[in-house]
Amino acid sequence: QLVLTQSPSASASLGASVKLTCTLSSGHRSYTISWHQQHPEKGPRYLMRLHSDGRHSKGDGIPDRFSGSSSGAERYLTISSLQSEDEADYYCQTWGTGIQVFGGGTKLTVL
Amino acid sequence: QVTLRESGPALVKPTQTLALTCTFSGFSLRTSGMCMSWVRQPPGKALEWLALIDWEDDKYYSTSLKTRLTISQDTSKNQVVLTMTNMDPVDTATYYCSLGYNNDRWGQGTLVTVSS
Repeated sequence: QLVLTQSPSASASLGASVKLTCTLSSGHRSYTISWHQQHPEKGPRYLMRLHSDGRHSKGDGIPDRFSGSSSGAERYLTISSLQSEDEADYYCQTWGTGIQVFGGGTKLTVL
Repeated sequence: QVTLRESGPALVKPTQTLALTCTFSGFSLRTSGMCMSWVRQPPGKALEWLALIDWEDDKYYSTSLKTRLTISQDTSKNQVVLTMTNMDPVDTATYYCSLGYNNDRWGQGTLVTVSS
Protein backbone atom coordinates (compact mmCIF):
# COMPACT_ATOMS: atom_id res chain seq x y z
CA GLN A 1 0.00 0.00 0.00
CA LEU A 2 1.30 3.41 -1.02
CA VAL A 3 1.77 5.51 2.11
CA LEU A 4 3.73 8.69 2.89
CA THR A 5 4.89 9.28 6.45
CA GLN A 6 5.81 12.70 7.88
CA SER A 7 6.68 13.84 11.38
CA PRO A 8 3.81 15.92 12.78
CA SER A 9 5.98 18.83 13.83
CA ALA A 10 9.38 20.46 13.46
CA SER A 11 10.96 23.64 14.70
CA ALA A 12 14.04 25.70 13.96
CA SER A 13 15.34 29.16 14.70
CA LEU A 14 15.05 32.22 12.54
CA GLY A 15 17.95 32.26 10.07
CA ALA A 16 18.78 28.59 10.58
CA SER A 17 18.10 25.64 8.29
CA VAL A 18 15.61 22.83 8.68
CA LYS A 19 15.24 19.51 6.88
CA LEU A 20 11.78 17.96 6.68
CA THR A 21 11.40 14.28 5.88
CA CYS A 22 8.80 12.31 3.91
CA THR A 23 9.15 8.53 3.90
CA LEU A 24 7.73 6.31 1.17
CA SER A 25 6.27 2.96 2.10
CA SER A 26 8.03 -0.30 1.37
CA GLY A 27 8.14 -1.15 -2.31
CA HIS A 28 7.70 2.45 -3.40
CA ARG A 29 11.14 3.95 -2.84
CA SER A 30 11.55 4.91 -6.52
CA TYR A 31 8.51 7.18 -6.54
CA THR A 32 8.63 10.86 -7.36
CA ILE A 33 6.89 13.11 -4.85
CA SER A 34 5.80 16.73 -4.63
CA TRP A 35 6.12 19.13 -1.69
CA HIS A 36 3.42 21.67 -0.87
CA GLN A 37 3.33 24.54 1.62
CA GLN A 38 0.18 25.70 3.38
CA HIS A 39 -0.13 28.75 5.60
CA PRO A 40 -2.98 28.93 8.12
CA GLU A 41 -6.33 29.62 6.52
CA LYS A 42 -4.76 29.54 3.06
CA GLY A 43 -4.79 27.04 0.22
CA PRO A 44 -1.78 24.82 -0.56
CA ARG A 45 1.07 26.10 -2.66
CA TYR A 46 3.16 23.82 -4.84
CA LEU A 47 6.86 23.98 -3.97
CA MET A 48 8.59 21.34 -6.05
CA ARG A 49 8.66 17.93 -7.62
CA LEU A 50 11.38 15.66 -6.24
CA HIS A 51 12.69 12.52 -7.92
CA SER A 52 14.31 9.50 -6.32
CA ASP A 53 17.73 10.58 -7.59
CA GLY A 54 17.40 13.97 -5.92
CA ARG A 55 16.62 15.96 -9.04
CA HIS A 56 13.97 18.52 -8.31
CA SER A 57 12.06 21.18 -10.20
CA LYS A 58 10.52 24.06 -8.30
CA GLY A 59 7.34 25.93 -8.91
CA ASP A 60 7.14 29.50 -10.12
CA GLY A 61 8.55 32.02 -7.66
CA ILE A 62 9.81 29.51 -5.11
CA PRO A 63 12.92 30.98 -3.47
CA ASP A 64 16.34 29.37 -3.78
CA ARG A 65 16.20 28.79 0.00
CA PHE A 66 13.95 25.81 -0.72
CA SER A 67 15.65 22.67 -2.01
CA GLY A 68 14.99 18.96 -2.20
CA SER A 69 17.05 15.81 -1.89
CA SER A 70 16.49 12.05 -1.71
CA SER A 71 18.01 9.01 -0.09
CA GLY A 72 16.41 5.60 -0.54
CA ALA A 73 12.79 5.85 0.53
CA GLU A 74 13.34 9.25 2.13
CA ARG A 75 12.49 12.53 0.45
CA TYR A 76 13.68 15.72 2.04
CA LEU A 77 12.72 19.37 1.91
CA THR A 78 15.42 21.69 3.17
CA ILE A 79 14.67 25.31 3.95
CA SER A 80 17.72 27.46 4.60
CA SER A 81 17.93 30.96 6.09
CA LEU A 82 14.56 30.43 7.75
CA GLN A 83 12.21 33.38 7.71
CA SER A 84 9.09 33.97 9.76
CA GLU A 85 6.91 33.46 6.69
CA ASP A 86 8.22 29.89 6.36
CA GLU A 87 6.13 28.94 9.40
CA ALA A 88 3.49 26.75 7.79
CA ASP A 89 2.33 23.19 7.23
CA TYR A 90 4.28 21.18 4.69
CA TYR A 91 2.79 18.21 2.85
CA CYS A 92 4.37 15.64 0.61
CA GLN A 93 2.29 13.97 -2.08
CA THR A 94 2.77 11.24 -4.64
CA TRP A 95 0.82 9.30 -7.21
CA GLY A 96 0.63 5.74 -8.45
CA THR A 97 -1.63 3.87 -10.82
CA GLY A 98 -5.04 5.38 -10.22
CA ILE A 99 -4.27 6.88 -6.86
CA GLN A 100 -2.85 9.97 -5.22
CA VAL A 101 -1.62 10.03 -1.65
CA PHE A 102 -0.76 12.84 0.76
CA GLY A 103 1.40 12.59 3.84
CA GLY A 104 -0.05 13.71 7.14
CA GLY A 105 1.83 16.98 7.02
CA THR A 106 4.54 18.59 9.16
CA LYS A 107 3.83 21.77 11.08
CA LEU A 108 6.96 23.91 10.99
CA THR A 109 7.47 26.45 13.77
CA VAL A 110 10.08 29.16 13.31
CA LEU A 111 11.45 30.11 16.74
CA GLN B 1 -1.99 32.10 -16.97
CA VAL B 2 -3.45 29.07 -15.25
CA THR B 3 -6.37 29.69 -12.91
CA LEU B 4 -8.65 27.31 -11.02
CA ARG B 5 -11.79 28.35 -9.17
CA GLU B 6 -14.08 26.14 -7.12
CA SER B 7 -17.77 26.88 -6.69
CA GLY B 8 -20.68 25.21 -4.98
CA PRO B 9 -22.94 25.38 -1.95
CA ALA B 10 -21.48 26.49 1.34
CA LEU B 11 -24.02 24.50 3.33
CA VAL B 12 -25.60 21.13 2.67
CA LYS B 13 -27.84 18.99 4.82
CA PRO B 14 -27.00 15.44 5.89
CA THR B 15 -27.94 12.80 3.28
CA GLN B 16 -27.97 15.39 0.49
CA THR B 17 -25.76 15.21 -2.60
CA LEU B 18 -22.99 17.78 -2.98
CA ALA B 19 -22.04 19.09 -6.41
CA LEU B 20 -18.87 21.16 -6.79
CA THR B 21 -17.58 22.78 -9.95
CA CYS B 22 -14.00 23.70 -10.80
CA THR B 23 -13.78 26.26 -13.58
CA PHE B 24 -10.33 26.55 -15.10
CA SER B 25 -8.45 28.58 -17.67
CA GLY B 26 -5.00 28.72 -19.21
CA PHE B 27 -4.82 25.08 -20.32
CA SER B 28 -6.81 22.32 -21.99
CA LEU B 29 -7.70 19.17 -20.12
CA ARG B 30 -7.66 17.42 -23.50
CA THR B 31 -3.89 17.89 -23.78
CA SER B 32 -2.02 14.60 -23.45
CA GLY B 33 -0.74 14.05 -19.91
CA MET B 34 -3.13 16.52 -18.28
CA CYS B 35 -5.24 15.64 -15.28
CA MET B 36 -7.15 17.36 -12.51
CA SER B 37 -7.96 16.28 -8.98
CA TRP B 38 -10.27 17.11 -6.13
CA VAL B 39 -8.69 17.25 -2.68
CA ARG B 40 -10.36 18.10 0.62
CA GLN B 41 -9.22 19.24 4.05
CA PRO B 42 -11.40 19.00 7.16
CA PRO B 43 -10.80 21.83 9.64
CA GLY B 44 -7.47 21.34 11.38
CA LYS B 45 -6.68 18.14 9.50
CA ALA B 46 -4.52 16.98 6.62
CA LEU B 47 -5.15 17.07 2.90
CA GLU B 48 -7.07 14.10 1.50
CA TRP B 49 -7.18 13.18 -2.19
CA LEU B 50 -10.65 12.36 -3.47
CA ALA B 51 -10.70 11.88 -7.24
CA LEU B 52 -8.79 12.43 -10.47
CA ILE B 53 -9.81 12.74 -14.12
CA ASP B 54 -7.32 12.68 -16.97
CA TRP B 55 -7.09 13.81 -20.59
CA GLU B 56 -8.47 10.46 -21.80
CA ASP B 57 -11.47 10.89 -19.47
CA ASP B 58 -10.22 8.06 -17.25
CA LYS B 59 -11.41 8.50 -13.69
CA TYR B 60 -9.90 7.40 -10.41
CA TYR B 61 -11.29 7.57 -6.90
CA SER B 62 -10.22 7.34 -3.29
CA THR B 63 -10.76 3.74 -2.22
CA SER B 64 -12.59 4.75 0.94
CA LEU B 65 -15.01 7.11 -0.83
CA LYS B 66 -15.38 5.64 -4.31
CA THR B 67 -18.97 4.50 -3.83
CA ARG B 68 -20.02 8.11 -3.13
CA LEU B 69 -17.97 10.05 -5.67
CA THR B 70 -18.37 10.90 -9.33
CA ILE B 71 -15.96 13.12 -11.26
CA SER B 72 -16.71 14.41 -14.73
CA GLN B 73 -15.58 17.08 -17.16
CA ASP B 74 -17.29 19.48 -19.50
CA THR B 75 -14.57 20.43 -21.94
CA SER B 76 -16.77 22.99 -23.72
CA LYS B 77 -17.06 24.94 -20.47
CA ASN B 78 -13.57 24.18 -19.11
CA GLN B 79 -15.11 22.68 -16.00
CA VAL B 80 -14.60 19.62 -13.83
CA VAL B 81 -17.45 18.58 -11.58
CA LEU B 82 -17.36 16.45 -8.44
CA THR B 83 -20.49 14.98 -6.90
CA MET B 84 -20.53 13.34 -3.49
CA THR B 85 -23.65 11.55 -2.32
CA ASN B 86 -25.04 10.97 1.15
CA MET B 87 -23.23 13.87 2.79
CA ASP B 88 -22.46 13.62 6.51
CA PRO B 89 -21.17 16.16 9.05
CA VAL B 90 -17.74 14.46 8.87
CA ASP B 91 -17.57 15.60 5.24
CA THR B 92 -17.35 19.21 6.41
CA ALA B 93 -14.16 20.45 4.78
CA THR B 94 -12.56 22.87 2.38
CA TYR B 95 -12.64 21.32 -1.07
CA TYR B 96 -9.89 22.14 -3.56
CA CYS B 97 -9.39 21.38 -7.21
CA SER B 98 -5.85 21.03 -8.49
CA LEU B 99 -3.95 20.56 -11.73
CA GLY B 100 -1.58 17.78 -12.68
CA TYR B 101 -0.18 14.67 -11.06
CA ASN B 102 2.06 17.01 -9.05
CA ASN B 103 -0.85 19.26 -8.05
CA ASP B 104 1.26 22.15 -9.27
CA ARG B 105 -1.66 24.55 -9.36
CA TRP B 106 -4.41 24.84 -6.76
CA GLY B 107 -7.71 26.65 -6.56
CA GLN B 108 -8.44 28.81 -3.54
CA GLY B 109 -10.81 26.22 -2.11
CA THR B 110 -14.44 26.30 -1.07
CA LEU B 111 -15.65 25.52 2.43
CA VAL B 112 -18.57 23.11 2.61
CA THR B 113 -20.37 22.66 5.91
CA VAL B 114 -22.70 19.70 6.43
CA SER B 115 -25.33 20.48 9.00
CA SER B 116 -29.05 20.20 9.47
